[in-house]
Amino acid sequence: DTGVSQNPRHKITKRGQNVTFRCDPISEHNRLYWYRQTLGQGPEFLTYFQNEAQLEKSRLLSDRFSAERPKGSFSTLEIQRTEQGDSAMYLCASSPTETQYFGPGTRLLVL
Amino acid sequence: DAKTTQPPSMDCAEGRAANLPCNHSTISGNEYVYWYRQIHSQGPQYIIHGLKNNETNEMASLIITEDRKSSTLILPHATLRDTAVYYCIVRDYGGSQGNLIFGKGTKLSVKP
Repeated sequence: DTGVSQNPRHKITKRGQNVTFRCDPISEHNRLYWYRQTLGQGPEFLTYFQNEAQLEKSRLLSDRFSAERPKGSFSTLEIQRTEQGDSAMYLCASSPTETQYFGPGTRLLVL
Repeated sequence: DAKTTQPPSMDCAEGRAANLPCNHSTISGNEYVYWYRQIHSQGPQYIIHGLKNNETNEMASLIITEDRKSSTLILPHATLRDTAVYYCIVRDYGGSQGNLIFGKGTKLSVKP
C-alpha cells in the first residue's frame, strides 16, 4: 500500500500526559498537512509543511501542540499536557501539488 | 468558514444514481470545486475536482453550472459502499498554501 500511513491508529492517554503521532506521506509528496476532526464535524486544518518548512499554522494549534518534518519526509505531531478537549481524530494528508490525499487518522482519547 | 452549503442528509436506493448538490454562490474565478467523501472512521477520500467544465472519472461525475454558483456530484450507480459523508469544498488552486476548509457535508445513505 503506497498511501499515507499514520501511527498509531488509536491512542488512549490520561490528562496531562504527552502524546506523539507519526505521519508517513506518499513518497515524493512535498506538501504535508495536519487536520483535527471532532465528532460530527468536518476536519479542521492545523498546520502545513512544504518539504521541511512549516509554512502555515492555524489558530487551533495552541502552544501545547508542535509539529515537525525534519527531513521533509515523515512528520510528527506532539501534544503536551493533553486535555480532554484534545480528544479527536488527527488526520494527515499529503499532496504533490494541489490535490490532498488523506491517511486513516489517529484517534486520540484523553481520559 | 466553509464557503459551501450542502443538505445535511440524503437517501439513495442501491443501483440508482445519487445526485448530491452543493451551493457555492460566492465562489471566485480562480477557485476550484473539490469533492471528498469520508466513510465512517476512515480518512477523507478524494473524489473529483473541477473549475468550470464538467468532469468525469472512474468514481463520479461533477456538473458545474454555467455561473459556477452551484454544482452536483453524481454517483451513477450507487452501492452500499458509497454510504458516507460527502464534502464539497471550494479552494484557490495554486494561490494560498491550500488547506481545505470542510463544512459538515452531506450524509448519504444508500439503502438496499
